Amino acid sequence: GAGVSQSPRYKVAKRGQDVALRCDPISGHVSLFWYQQALGQGPEFLTYFQNEAQLDKSGLPSDRFFAERPEGSVSTLKIQRTQQEDSAVYLCASSIYRANTEAFFGQGTRLTVV
Amino acid sequence: GESVGLHLPTLSVQEGDNSIINCAYSNSASDYFIWYKQESGKGPQFIIDIRSNMDKRQGQRVTVLLNKTVKHLSLQIAATQPGDSAVYFCTHGGTSYGKLTFGQGTILTVHP
Repeated sequence: GAGVSQSPRYKVAKRGQDVALRCDPISGHVSLFWYQQALGQGPEFLTYFQNEAQLDKSGLPSDRFFAERPEGSVSTLKIQRTQQEDSAVYLCASSIYRANTEAFFGQGTRLTVV
Repeated sequence: GESVGLHLPTLSVQEGDNSIINCAYSNSASDYFIWYKQESGKGPQFIIDIRSNMDKRQGQRVTVLLNKTVKHLSLQIAATQPGDSAVYFCTHGGTSYGKLTFGQGTILTVHP
């Protein structure tokens, strides 16, 4: 399809385990965002990429969270030593160019840490 | 500071009625405001945006009104349908690259 694709859709991790969440943005989209959405809350910004450059990582909650987009397309959000408070839906969004108001979101990855 | 809040967390309407979802904001420097719709199990979906120099913008069955004097934003949905049932978020763009700040959201339930 032509939309933003995220995998896996669901991930159960044991506390202390490392996880990697993948985002395939719409082809040609310059901007890529990661958001974290806790149950019953609105999404909260984590980090932003313009092509391969990570220009804003102010929303990453701790140094256990790391994101990359090495070739300016696919992005991976990695969480090390997962904790229960990391349980949330992780959303990826892309937009065609910087400052575009319309961002396209993927379905998200629901992470449950047990 | 940057914050976006909503007056009502839930709204129930009958199919065919018009719906109005309200939102208050505090950041006067925002260049634009955007409404997103999120259905259960899906990511947010763009509905409509409005620039800060506009008062009103219309789309297909939706109208967004911006009152900068009282820092209030509303989304009007005409002839609401069951498929409109979702959580609605107002957001604002506060950076040059499209970073969004979401509020808690309003749950819209449309009864057939």
